[in-house]
This record gives sequence, C-alpha cells and structure tokens, in this order.
Amino acid sequence: AQSVTQLGSHVSVSEGALVLLRCNYSSSVPPYLFWYVQYPNQGLQLLLKYTTGATLVKGINGFEAEFKKSETSFHLTKPSAHMSDAAEYFCAVSQNTGFQKLVFGTGTRLLVSP
Amino acid sequence: ETGVTQSPTHLIKTRGQQVTLRCSSQSGHNTVSWYQQALGQGPQFIFQYYREEENGRGNFPPRFSGLQFPNYSSELNVNALELDDSALYLCASSHTRGLAGGVYNEQFFGPGTRLTVL
Repeated sequence: AQSVTQLGSHVSVSEGALVLLRCNYSSSVPPYLFWYVQYPNQGLQLLLKYTTGATLVKGINGFEAEFKKSETSFHLTKPSAHMSDAAEYFCAVSQNTGFQKLVFGTGTRLLVSP
Repeated sequence: ETGVTQSPTHLIKTRGQQVTLRCSSQSGHNTVSWYQQALGQGPQFIFQYYREEENGRGNFPPRFSGLQFPNYSSELNVNALELDDSALYLCASSHTRGLAGGVYNEQFFGPGTRLTVL
C-alpha cells in the first residue's frame, strides 16, 4: 500500500521568500512521485515528477523537488515566491509497475502576502 | 491536440437520484482514471479503465460504476446519491504503453465536474 503525508495544511510566506512544502511518502515498491497544483475551481496541473534518474527534479514556474529515499521525502521548494503561486499543492505517489493509480496527500494551501 | 474534457461542469442532484458524468480522453490515450475530491481533501482514486475494462478500483462502493467506450471516452455513474457524494469529480487520461515495471504513463487531468447533492 502507498500513502502520502503532507505536513501543514496551510503555509504562509511573503512575496520573495523561500517556499518549502513538505511531503513524506510510504511505498513498498519503488515509487513515482509527483507534485500537482490546483487553482480555485480548476483541475490539477502537474508541476513536476520523479520517475527515475536524477533525484533533483525541476518543474514549471521555478519549482523543484528532491527525492530522498533514505528519508522517504519529496519536498517542494521555490527560491522566491510570487503572488501567482498562491494555490493548493498536492503531493502524490504511484507505483512504477502495473496500472498506475495516484495516491494523493491532503494538500497544502500556499498563501503569499505582499 | 484536444485535452481532457469533462461534462457537465456543474450538477445539482438530490439524495437517492442517479448521475452520469462524462469524460473525453486526450487524443491517443487508451486509459481513463476517475478521482473524487471532497472539499478540502486530496483526490481519491475511484477506478481506472483500460481498453474498455476496469483495471483497478479504489475503496468505493458498487453504486459507483463506470464504462469506457471504443473511442476511449468514459462515463462515471453513481446510483442512490448520498450527501457525502458531493465533490469535484476528476477524470484523467493516459496512454498505457505496457504494464511492466519502469514504464511511466503520465495522467492528464480534466477540469472536473462539481457535483452537489442536496
């Protein structure tokens, strides 16, 4: 079975500050890991993914995440927050064999103040 | 290339009624997955269809059922609606190239259908 834990249902930062959203996963098989963003009243947009290879992955809008197997973590970072980054962020895991269902965390709402 | 589309956008039903939600997959995709996102929660996997057959199911009762058509579009049917079925229903399409390990099949999400049960 797979699961995802996102620490902090809300994270508040000032514009220009570092963004750090935490994600820990549990998986009995090698995982694929994802971060999705959801703006109000919209569907999910893929920010970035880890499948194989380099453990530091870069995504859209200046976000990046690092897969740390020893810590079972996949934290999302961005050096400098913009007002447009305010949204809900979901970490997700899937297995890398067979059919791939996404298991999501409960989400972290990022609030950006001027 | 047309992305994943869902209809309707919004829907209001009453308890006990039945509802059908529709999803058109992205061109070239053969797999559709459905997710339920309750307010303030992350999406939960309902089931997945691959080549017109259910290919996996989450922890949802049998009154949640689905279909996939030869053109790979899909329907989600919910019978005997309950208040807790109120949620955003998301459809995602992907192209399954194989079920062997190490083959990543990216899921592309539609905008969702918001169902309200009164």
